[in-house]
Amino acid sequence: DGGITQSPKYLFRKEGQNVTLSCEQNLNHDAMYWYRQDPGQGLRLIYYSQIVNDFQKGDIAEGYSVSREKKESFPLTVTSAQKNPTAFYLCASSPLRASYNSPLHFGNGTRLTVT
Amino acid sequence: QQPVQSPQAVILREGEDAVINCSSSKALYSVHWYRQKHGEAPVFLMILLKGGEQMRHEKISASFNEKKQQSSLYLTASQLSYSGTYFCGTEDNAGNMLTFGGGTRLMVKP
Repeated sequence: DGGITQSPKYLFRKEGQNVTLSCEQNLNHDAMYWYRQDPGQGLRLIYYSQIVNDFQKGDIAEGYSVSREKKESFPLTVTSAQKNPTAFYLCASSPLRASYNSPLHFGNGTRLTVT
Repeated sequence: QQPVQSPQAVILREGEDAVINCSSSKALYSVHWYRQKHGEAPVFLMILLKGGEQMRHEKISASFNEKKQQSSLYLTASQLSYSGTYFCGTEDNAGNMLTFGGGTRLMVKP
């Protein structure tokens, strides 16, 4: 079955360490996204990519980095510069840029805890 | 600027109806609705377009009032399976990326 796989489901890190969250999709979608979810604040866009080797900053990109070397993969690195990294991170994809004719397909998320 | 959803939370008995609203300060082109169960991925429900018709997903329907820049999600004869957090995502006329509201937590009790 096609879908989006995020790993790991739970991740624990010490403050000051960089950590990379994995996101793989086999839906053959061109666009991929990373969202951060905090209680009561909905989904906030971190980065998105519409084609391989190209990506753009979202609303809260500071302290994060991404790469898009393959169509199927869009890893997110949470750097030590991110002041409050503990959150639930969701990866998503869509056939085209999310718009009126292109809904998002989400992975099951990674819950990151930094202490 | 993210859309505002209301109410923030609602508790229903099985079979009751509910309405969830999503309002934006920007002129909108489309509105997406998603449902997320606890600890799971959000799941797409429907998209409403500017000038389009009211949409339906099972017994859940939605409307889009372009003049008011508002969308409403109608849950009729609610079922236990409707429980979860509902998010609206809006796309404005300027072509900016989809922006999500803060979510509405819905709990349906037997």
